[in-house]
Amino acid sequence: DTAVSQTPKYLVTQMGNDKSIKCEQNLGHDTMYWYKQDSKKFLKIMFSYNNKELIINETVPNRFSPKSPDKAHLNLHINSLELGDSAVYFCASRPGGAIGGTQYFGPGTRLTVL
Amino acid sequence: AQKITQTQPGMFVQEKEAVTLDCTYDTSDQSYGLFWYKQPSSGEMIFLIYQGSYDEQNATEGRYSLNFQKARKSANLVISASQLGDSAMYFCAMREPYGNNRLAFGKGNQVVVIP
Repeated sequence: DTAVSQTPKYLVTQMGNDKSIKCEQNLGHDTMYWYKQDSKKFLKIMFSYNNKELIINETVPNRFSPKSPDKAHLNLHINSLELGDSAVYFCASRPGGAIGGTQYFGPGTRLTVL
Repeated sequence: AQKITQTQPGMFVQEKEAVTLDCTYDTSDQSYGLFWYKQPSSGEMIFLIYQGSYDEQNATEGRYSLNFQKARKSANLVISASQLGDSAMYFCAMREPYGNNRLAFGKGNQVVVIP
């Protein structure tokens, strides 16, 4: 029943580790996104994929690598985690088309780097 | 440059009263979309309402309405008959069609509904 799901919901890890966050949507949407929400609640776009093709790649350290195995999934892999990576990461999806479509968000993954 | 501005400090509103959350935006595009999302303390982002730049009528969704003033570049959210469950952060966002439809968010407004 869940439209956009993310796993895990919470992730606590040590500095220097590599971790992945998974996102799946069952809405049939063509475009998926990753956003980062910092400790001040500010949300910023990181990446976007349209039909498995990367279309947005903001100024994000290359330790962050998105991967879209199919249009229903967009995973985020983070290498060599740093303290500053601690944040809530949201996945979102929207229908295709040049203009239009509301973005629906997953529940978020709270990443804490110790 | 900041594209979405939400400057109100945290707000307290009495249950059953209406509350207006201010949002101004900056874009040179003619075609754009404006959204409001709600983030309760549980953390999820819930879509509330959408206004397209060419829509002539103000959007309404149940108790939510969007007061769209295009010339002033404002898109204020009005919540009528506040309920305790409306306590949350509210984010205004703009979609720009030439930015691959990315959403640019404001910093949010905190609303606390008191009984």
